[in-house]
Amino acid sequence: AQSVAQPEDQVNVAEGNPLTVKCTYSVSGNPYLFWYVQYPNRGLQFLLKYITGDNLVKGSYGFEAEFNKSQTSFHLKKPSALVSDSALYFCAVRDGLSSASKIIFGSGTRLSIRP
Amino acid sequence: GAVVSQHPSWVICKSGTSVKIECRSLDFQATTMFWYRQFPKQSLMLMATSNEGSKATYEQGVEKDKFLINHASLTLSTLTVTSAHPEDSSFYICSAGPPGETQYFGPGTRLLVL
Repeated sequence: AQSVAQPEDQVNVAEGNPLTVKCTYSVSGNPYLFWYVQYPNRGLQFLLKYITGDNLVKGSYGFEAEFNKSQTSFHLKKPSALVSDSALYFCAVRDGLSSASKIIFGSGTRLSIRP
Repeated sequence: GAVVSQHPSWVICKSGTSVKIECRSLDFQATTMFWYRQFPKQSLMLMATSNEGSKATYEQGVEKDKFLINHASLTLSTLTVTSAHPEDSSFYICSAGPPGETQYFGPGTRLLVL
């Protein structure tokens, strides 16, 4: 079965500092990994995905994620945090790429950026 | 990117009544849509897979008679919470996506059952 784990419920970072939100995965086949962000009372917004290719994936709003097969990790990163980055972040794994493929979400990490 | 809408964005109802939530794909056809529920400060839990022209597939522990799903067209899926009770109060989110691409999520519907 596919699963993702986000070990941190909350991450606190000062504005301007680099941030990392951790995610590890467990899959039986090829990993299709995603990061989504959720602002209060809103749906999820897609940030980035890893399907194949370069291990460093660049996404929206200056975020990037590094796929590490040996460590089965897909950590989300940003070089310089903004207060507006404060939100709930979800790592997710998909069991395929068809429109019927399910997405399994991690428990979420709340990112708080202090001015 | 693709757009998925939901209606209503929020609804308050009395216990025992039924509530219908719509999920639409606005610029693509979706043979499959997904319904999730999210409790405060928790992750999204997949409830069911909505299949156009056939029965929905429910996840373990989700009551299919409680949460009726109808996917009558390639751009619309509806979730009806029947005989709603306070414990059904939650944030309901749908998703859909073109084949081979990421899933896009609706803005969510907040349901409060009094």
